[in-house]
Amino acid sequence: EADIYQTPRYLVIGTGKKITLECSQTMGHDKMYWYQQDPGMELHLIHYSYGVNSTEKGDLSSESTVSRIRTEHFPLTLESARPSHTSQYLCASSELRTVGGYTFGSGTRLTVV
Amino acid sequence: GQQVMQIPQYQHVQEGEDFTTYCNSSTTLSNIQWYKQRPGGHPVFLIQLVKSGEVKKQKRLTFQFGEAKKNSSLHITATQTTDVGTYFCAAHDRGSTLGRLYFGRGTQLTVWP
Repeated sequence: EADIYQTPRYLVIGTGKKITLECSQTMGHDKMYWYQQDPGMELHLIHYSYGVNSTEKGDLSSESTVSRIRTEHFPLTLESARPSHTSQYLCASSELRTVGGYTFGSGTRLTVV
Repeated sequence: GQQVMQIPQYQHVQEGEDFTTYCNSSTTLSNIQWYKQRPGGHPVFLIQLVKSGEVKKQKRLTFQFGEAKKNSSLHITATQTTDVGTYFCAAHDRGSTLGRLYFGRGTQLTVWP
């Protein structure tokens, strides 16, 4: 079944640690996105990609990096976790012209202690 | 970048009452999309409107796109407890469906039984 998968679902980590949040989709979508969201609140775009070897910064990109080596995979790395990074991280994907809207993953709930 | 303003931020209704959320832009939009996010969940794509003055219905939900393509609304008739969640509008700039979507801040709907 075509879908978008995020791992881990929950993560508690210490301040200063480097972490990578995984996102994979099986829909063959060209475009992928990372959002940060506190529960039920505004979606903040962190990074996005239009395809392999293409990445763009969003509105909250300064403390993280992404890569797009394969179409289906779009990992997000926080180089040094801080308590202010505690939030939910949502990955999404869409077709090139976004005709059908974004498909979101179930998210990773990150807590930095 | 594109600013999409969404109001109200919160709405509390009794079951059976109607609910409306509004999305406004100062510039002409290429399209408007609507998403629903249940508490603890992730946003789920509901619908996309493209044409000026377009109206679409999904059971008790009615979606409208303004004649000038600068505003949109989502109306729920006779709310049920299953309607609880945050509703987001999102839009592309006029003439573009390739770029990023701009999300509104969302309207959190609470339905009392």
